[in-house]
Amino acid sequence: DAKTTQPTSMDCAEGRAANLPCNHSTISGNEYVYWYRQIHSQGPQYIIHGLKNNETNEMASLIITEDRKSSTLILPHATLRDTAVYYCIATMYSGGGADGLTFGKGTHLIIQP
Amino acid sequence: NAGVTQTPKFQVLKTGQSMTLQCAQDMNHNSMYWYRQDPGMGLRLIYYSASEGTTDKGEVPNGYNVSRLNKREFSLRLESAAPSQTSVYFCASSELRTHQGAFFGQGTRLTVV
Repeated sequence: DAKTTQPTSMDCAEGRAANLPCNHSTISGNEYVYWYRQIHSQGPQYIIHGLKNNETNEMASLIITEDRKSSTLILPHATLRDTAVYYCIATMYSGGGADGLTFGKGTHLIIQP
Repeated sequence: NAGVTQTPKFQVLKTGQSMTLQCAQDMNHNSMYWYRQDPGMGLRLIYYSASEGTTDKGEVPNGYNVSRLNKREFSLRLESAAPSQTSVYFCASSELRTHQGAFFGQGTRLTVV
């Protein structure tokens, strides 16, 4: 799996869009970008994934640069319940396959009231 | 649709005792995983099962055994618990062919005294 780099922490005001960046400059052509989050003491939660195109679902949007070396997760209207650690993972296989998912340190997103 | 269900949610063991952590998923996924998460650290893969009847060691398998009973269930056994196995254990499932994200249970918080 390609190495990913994320800021350690970020703040965002409630109701504003939260934009979380991720660098994955060594990503290979068949690796997807996945985003998960972990709210304190809970199991990680899958958010969204993409290969080349931008993606949107009911939780978030994923913007992948044309060269695929970086991406941004967008939470359009952040709420206090979005406070969590967000993980960006580049992997070929859903779930990570035999190596599992490499969760790194992620970005601690704090939503301020 | 319950997703991934883990039992028990909490457990306290004495050193040397044995126990089995249960995990079941109802999404018809082929792949299942067991992770542990220690305070302030990321998840580490203990064991992986690509399909019913197959299991593979992950990053930290020592002191654990697993059993993929059927497609739905993947159990983790501690034969002789040690204080170093105090951790939060997460089970996950995914379907490699779809590239959809993995789904995680809510965790088992295990303390070995």
